[in-house]
Amino acid sequence: DAGVIQSPRHEVTEMGQEVTLRCKPISGHNSLFWYRQTMMRGLELLIYFNNNVPIDDSGMPEDRFSAKMPNASFSTLKIQPSEPRDSAVYFCASSRDFAESPKNIQYFGAGTRLSVL
Amino acid sequence: GQQVMQIPQYQHVQEGEDFTTYCNSSTTLSNIQWYKQRPGGHPVFLIQLVKSGEVKKQKRLTFQFGEAKKNSSLHITATQTTDVGTYFCAGPNQAGTALIFGKGTTLSVSS
Repeated sequence: DAGVIQSPRHEVTEMGQEVTLRCKPISGHNSLFWYRQTMMRGLELLIYFNNNVPIDDSGMPEDRFSAKMPNASFSTLKIQPSEPRDSAVYFCASSRDFAESPKNIQYFGAGTRLSVL
Repeated sequence: GQQVMQIPQYQHVQEGEDFTTYCNSSTTLSNIQWYKQRPGGHPVFLIQLVKSGEVKKQKRLTFQFGEAKKNSSLHITATQTTDVGTYFCAGPNQAGTALIFGKGTTLSVSS
């Protein structure tokens, strides 16, 4: 299996621009998670899906952030408009399930390093 | 709200020294997981503990789950430069729908 695939690996954009991050989870995994990692705040859970349905988006910092999962093999995280404080590494992770051990083990993608100038 | 805390935040050791990181949850956990993130990399699953008092070993790494299932530890014997990275513990939230990660312990090793 190729693992969780994220694109792009690096994104540099200017303040005010729209940014779209993409994620392909491991085939057969029912749960998908978006995280943001910064030195100051560590690894923050933004939103997660189960069977393509958003379960909890309480970690999404504000309305500028949105996430979709149109099918079992693809998810996007969009920031519009982007701001310098959004600069961080964004990780996508998937698991077979979320409720039952060991199906809740998470597999992370390589991440997208976002820089907003 | 539910919290998972780790100490220390940073630890520097000389190669060959031992290292321990501690994880404490504000609530009882059904299981606890440990992940390692190498510099510039992504978190990678190491192990999961489920039973009260459970101890598991992976070569030089020893993982322990407390009797009350609210704390855990990771001990590395005779650290090597390959052990460098950030070690995270994570436990399920109360709804059982996601993992709550601690802020991690960053280990640096000098040779």
